[in-house]
Amino acid sequence: GENVEQHPSTLSVQEGDSAVIKCTYSDSASNYFPWYKQELGKGPQLIIDIRSNVGEKKDQRIAVTLNKTAKHFSLHITETQPEDSAVYFCAARKYNFNKFYFGSGTKLNVKP
Amino acid sequence: DTEVTQTPKHLVMGMTNKKSLKCEQHMGHRAMYWYKQKAKKPPELMFVYSYEKLSINESVPSRFSPECPNSSLLNLHLHALQPEDSALYLCASSQGTKGKNEQYFGPGTRLTVT
Repeated sequence: GENVEQHPSTLSVQEGDSAVIKCTYSDSASNYFPWYKQELGKGPQLIIDIRSNVGEKKDQRIAVTLNKTAKHFSLHITETQPEDSAVYFCAARKYNFNKFYFGSGTKLNVKP
Repeated sequence: DTEVTQTPKHLVMGMTNKKSLKCEQHMGHRAMYWYKQKAKKPPELMFVYSYEKLSINESVPSRFSPECPNSSLLNLHLHALQPEDSALYLCASSQGTKGKNEQYFGPGTRLTVT
């Protein structure tokens, strides 16, 4: 099966700084990579995703990059704000398969 | 609209009780999921329904019984649970293997087994 590893497990940044969270995956058949943000007491919220035919995708202050050869993908948050503080999960899914494999999560703390 | 709703928000039950969790989506999604999430851990897949048929059961104990009455509804029936089953239970949906990949989660049901 697929194995997704996520680093770091915790990340503290100053407001306005950038934050980067990295994930690696093991199965080259994985072709869809979403990122979720989970605030305390809530369900995970899909914030950005990328498919294997694309190298980078941006949405305002967040971006995701994918390196298929190295089997890793990263979440980049620029100009961080206190409301970005949450747990972030990466995931991977194979084509035509209804199962998502999650990373272990990164707790991001943005200090005002 | 990407909303998945879950009821109840909180549930406290004894080990001999029978209760059900409910999930609903109106996005026309044909895949629906139950996950269990413990504190500080990622969601752990329990069941997947695809086109109203159970397609994945991750070796979940029989005290958890899923049901998909129609393409919009998903239930999880609970019976004779153990204290270690206390967790956040998340429902999610996606278009399914033949459609877009995006999976959307509900807010979860916080279950406490006493």
